[in-house]
Amino acid sequence: AQKVTQAQTEISVVEKEDVTLDCVYETRDTTYYLFWYKQPPSGELVFLIRRNSFDEQNEISGRYSWNFQKSTSSFNFTITASQVVDSAVYFCALSEATPVRESSASKIIFGSGTRLSIRP
Amino acid sequence: DAGITQSPRHKVTETGTPVTLRCHQTENHRYMYWYRQDPGHGLRLIHYSYGVKDTDKGEVSDGYSVSRSKTEDFLLTLESATSSQTSVYFCAISELVSTDTQYFGPGTRLTVL
Repeated sequence: AQKVTQAQTEISVVEKEDVTLDCVYETRDTTYYLFWYKQPPSGELVFLIRRNSFDEQNEISGRYSWNFQKSTSSFNFTITASQVVDSAVYFCALSEATPVRESSASKIIFGSGTRLSIRP
Repeated sequence: DAGITQSPRHKVTETGTPVTLRCHQTENHRYMYWYRQDPGHGLRLIHYSYGVKDTDKGEVSDGYSVSRSKTEDFLLTLESATSSQTSVYFCAISELVSTDTQYFGPGTRLTVL
């Protein structure tokens, strides 16, 4: 069964510190996709990244970086030099591969989220 | 930003009343989804659609029905609202196959008294 675990329920750091959000997943599929979403206090869900299981290269986008390690089934997210605007709930999610039947939506399983607070 | 709107954005209703939430997209995406978000549960899929008049159940579909008569609109109906359906409801869309990135609407906060 698919499962996404975000063990850190809440994290609080001081501005400019680096912070890593952990995501561990379980799947029996060999092809799958991993996502991160951000939910700021305003409530909307903002897409951050999508990664397929065959691409283990780490990704960097400005202050954001993602470390995908299949050996440990982890897809961790690091914010460098955090800012107050980074305060949000962050969700990691897992999707199985494209289903055989077009009518079958791949399940996207979301973790329960990590609430990140950045203190000035 | 993907063109997705949800209406209403907030609703308070009483137990036993029917409620319909609307999701409207301007992206002409094929797949549309309804999720609910509850504390400690992340997001859970209620129903989804893979085309006009083509819908199927997600993991928490009991008590909900959906309809999609046009590509751009996906309706979620609570036939007889219960307090356990108090939640934040998100609509999402994806372009082609369902493993494409899902983009979310702004959410609807529903309170059932």
